Formats: sequence, C-alpha cells, structure tokens
Amino acid sequence: GAVVSQHPSRVICKSGTSVKIECRSLDFQATTMFWYRQFPKQSLMLMATSNEGSKATYEQGVEKDKFLINHASLTLSTLTVTSAHPEDSSFYICSARDHSGSGTEAFFGQGTRLTVV
Amino acid sequence: TQLLEQSPQFLSIQEGENLTVYCNSSSVFSSLQWYRQEPGEGPVLLVTVVTGGEVKKLKRLTFQFGDARKDSSLHITAAQPGDTGLYLCAANDYKLSFGAGTTVTVRA
Repeated sequence: GAVVSQHPSRVICKSGTSVKIECRSLDFQATTMFWYRQFPKQSLMLMATSNEGSKATYEQGVEKDKFLINHASLTLSTLTVTSAHPEDSSFYICSARDHSGSGTEAFFGQGTRLTVV
Repeated sequence: TQLLEQSPQFLSIQEGENLTVYCNSSSVFSSLQWYRQEPGEGPVLLVTVVTGGEVKKLKRLTFQFGDARKDSSLHITAAQPGDTGLYLCAANDYKLSFGAGTTVTVRA
C-alpha cells in the first residue's frame, strides 16, 4: 500500500508554545487528508478534513484557531497546535487518500505523541 | 457524519476461543472498513466491504456486511495472542469516521 509519513513521532513541549506536525504522502498525491486525535484506549476522533489548496473543514467542537491545518501541496499537510496546554496532550494521527470520493482507501501515518508539560 | 456504534467496547478471551465484534448504524453505509490498531501506531486496514450481504475472509477473520448495509461484523476464529489490539470500524464516505472501537485482549 501507499506510504504516509508523519513527523515527529514524539514531541514534548512547554505549555504556551506551538507545535507543528507534518504529514506527507510519499508515493501518491493526497487529494484529501484527515487529522485525528486519539486518547488512551479510545477511538480516533476526526478533527478536520482538508483538501489541497482549500481551507480545512473542522468538526464540531474543534477550535480552528487552536488547531491550524495547512494543506498547501498534494503531498504535505501540517497541523499546528497553537499555545499548547497540558490538556492538548494526545496522540495525533493523519490519514490521506488520493481521491475525494467515498470508498477510496485511506492510508495512515504512524501518529505523533504530543506531551505538553 | 454517520454515527457508528461498536460493541462490545472491551473483550478479553482465552487463546483458541472465537470472538465477534459488531458495528451498527441507523444510516446506510456506502462502504465500510475494518481496521486494527496497536498501541502507539496508526490503524492498519483489514478489509473494505461494499456490497450488502458481502462476506470476506482474511485467514481466521471473517467480515460480514449486512444486507441493508447498516451493520457489519468481524468474527475471529481460534483467536491468538497476536490478534490483540484495537479493532475499529469506519464509514468511508467523504469523511472517514470511526466507531468507538473494541479493545480485544487474547490471553495465552
């Protein structure tokens, strides 16, 4: 299957700082990318959907000014957690697919463990 | 976004036993996917079901898609400790939305 690379895999930051997470599709063009958040022993919660060149669509309850998503190219999307606080500590996962239609397989990154101290 | 209900939430069984995980919705799925996730990693796709009544087999895993395309099940035969993980169903429409997940623990 296709490869999606997420970086960094782990990051520790101080409260009040911002952290950027990158998601790259290595061997295909990602028309659509998804960003998820996952708490321990829980499922993936969809935060936002982004299409290349357009603004991300955020799920209800997700602060778009706090979680900045940029999908500037067909191979790269970034999630920036701004002014991070300890409650933002979580596992963040991106996913990408090469078609905007339903039923197309999505490929997942390895995830980023964010710890805010 | 379709609401996906997954049950049970937790399942702990002995090696060699069988188990079934269910995924239900009040809406009709265009397609549904099952994933398995291990701690600290991203989910890995197991199967995609598209046609109502479809049955797919992947070694000891059997996936069924309901005739009305509103529900699906995952059955594991003779579970092994390597089957331990978080099993997730997902509705693969414009958004890829997940059910709550089932944590499966297979004891040796």
